[in-house]
Amino acid sequence: GAVVSQHPSWVICKSGTSVKIECRSLDFQATTMFWYRQFPKQSLMLMATSNEGSKATYEQGVEKDKFLINHASLTLSTLTVTSAHPEDSSFYICSARDPNSGRDNEQFFGPGTRLTVL
Amino acid sequence: GESVGLHLPTLSVQEGDNSIINCAYSNSASDYFIWYKQESGKGPQFIIDIRSNMDKRQGQRVTVLLNKTVKHLSLQIAATQPGDSAVYFCAEARYILGSNYKLTFGKGTLLTVNP
Repeated sequence: GAVVSQHPSWVICKSGTSVKIECRSLDFQATTMFWYRQFPKQSLMLMATSNEGSKATYEQGVEKDKFLINHASLTLSTLTVTSAHPEDSSFYICSARDPNSGRDNEQFFGPGTRLTVL
Repeated sequence: GESVGLHLPTLSVQEGDNSIINCAYSNSASDYFIWYKQESGKGPQFIIDIRSNMDKRQGQRVTVLLNKTVKHLSLQIAATQPGDSAVYFCAEARYILGSNYKLTFGKGTLLTVNP
């Protein structure tokens, strides 16, 4: 099956620094990737939809200048949390759609990245 | 706003019993409903989906029922095993541009299977 990886799996940073999280589709080319945020004991909330070669579409309430998304290739999307603060501490999960899977509604999820901002 | 929610935040069952996890939704303009399983510290794993024009779909040990009249979705797990212990989310999938679907997740139910 389609595999999506994320790096790093966890990161601890100081307040005010920026953190980059990578999302890779390992065995397929993903024209679209999605970024979600999940706080403890809560559900996944979609942050943005990332299309290769174009600007990401952000959900209402998500600051595009704070959460920079780059989808420069068909196998890699990055999320950069700029000037991170403790309230940004969360579990960040990406997903990718395989256009050749035959199922347009199927998203393959990465293992998540645990961000802790001190 | 529109949301997908769950009736039961926790469910504890004995190994071998059947489990039923429920979900209520409020937005009728969805194309699919999907159930995901999420183990601690991991990303969601697809279990089964159902198109909005269907009322039942079966998979291996799982059955999803959709009642559009009362906007209710359920996941039935037969012969529940300890490995089924996880948080289960229902999600609503709505079509957006470019052959993509936007997922809206419900709150999740923690299923605990006791040996």
